[in-house]
Amino acid sequence: QLQLQESGPGLVKPSETVSLTCTVSSVSISSSSYYWGWIRQPPGKGLEYVGSIYYSGSTYYNPSLKIRVTISIDTSKNQFSLKLSSVTAADTAVYYCAPLTASLAAFDYWGQGTLVTVSS
Amino acid sequence: QSALTQPRSVSGSPGQSVTISCTGTSSDVGGYNHVSWYQQYPGKAPKLMIYNVSKRPSGVPDRFSGSKSGNTASLTISGLQAEDEADYYCCSYAGTYPYVFGTGTKVTVL
Repeated sequence: QLQLQESGPGLVKPSETVSLTCTVSSVSISSSSYYWGWIRQPPGKGLEYVGSIYYSGSTYYNPSLKIRVTISIDTSKNQFSLKLSSVTAADTAVYYCAPLTASLAAFDYWGQGTLVTVSS
Repeated sequence: QSALTQPRSVSGSPGQSVTISCTGTSSDVGGYNHVSWYQQYPGKAPKLMIYNVSKRPSGVPDRFSGSKSGNTASLTISGLQAEDEADYYCCSYAGTYPYVFGTGTKVTVL
C-alpha cells in the first residue's frame, strides 16, 4: 500500500520561497505507473491542482502558478519536492502530495496534508 | 482554466438519492473521459470515489455511481446514508492544463 508523508515549514514569510517534501513508502518513485503530484486547499475552500512530475523528470504545472512553481524528484531518497516562490497570503493552504495513477487518470492516494501559513 | 462548476450544496433524507453535477467545457469534461470524484470529510484528505467517469475503485460502495453527458459529469449517491455527509469534488483532465477541480459540493443528510 503506497504511503505518503509531507514535510515542510508550517510558517513562511511573504515573498519567501516555501519548500515541501513528500516521502513515498512501499512504491519506488521511479515507477512508471504514477505522476507524483501536489494539490492544495486554502482554509475553507476547494482543491487546486498545483503540478506533477513523472519519474523521467517531465513536469506539468498549473498555468496560474507555473512561473513560481518547481517540482523535482529525488530517486535516491524516494522523495519528490515542491518549491513555491514569492509567496503571499493567498498561498496559505493545506498542501497534499498525491500521486496520479496513470491507468486511472485519478489521484487515488493522498498524504495527510501539511498546512503552510504565509504571514509576517 | 476556470474551476469546474458544482452546486454549493445538496441534501437528502436517508435512503434517498442525490445527484451532484459538475459542469465544464469541451476542453475538459466534454473532451475526455477522465473525470474523477473525491469525498472529503472535515480535516481529512480527499478519497477517490469514481474514476474515468463511472468506474469505482475497490472498496467504494456501489451506491456511488458516475456518468457524463456533454460537458457535464454527475455523481449519484443512491440509498443515502449518514456517513455520506461530506464534501465532494469532481476533477477532470484538461489536456495541457492538465487537471482542474470542481468548486466542491457539500452533501447534507437530513
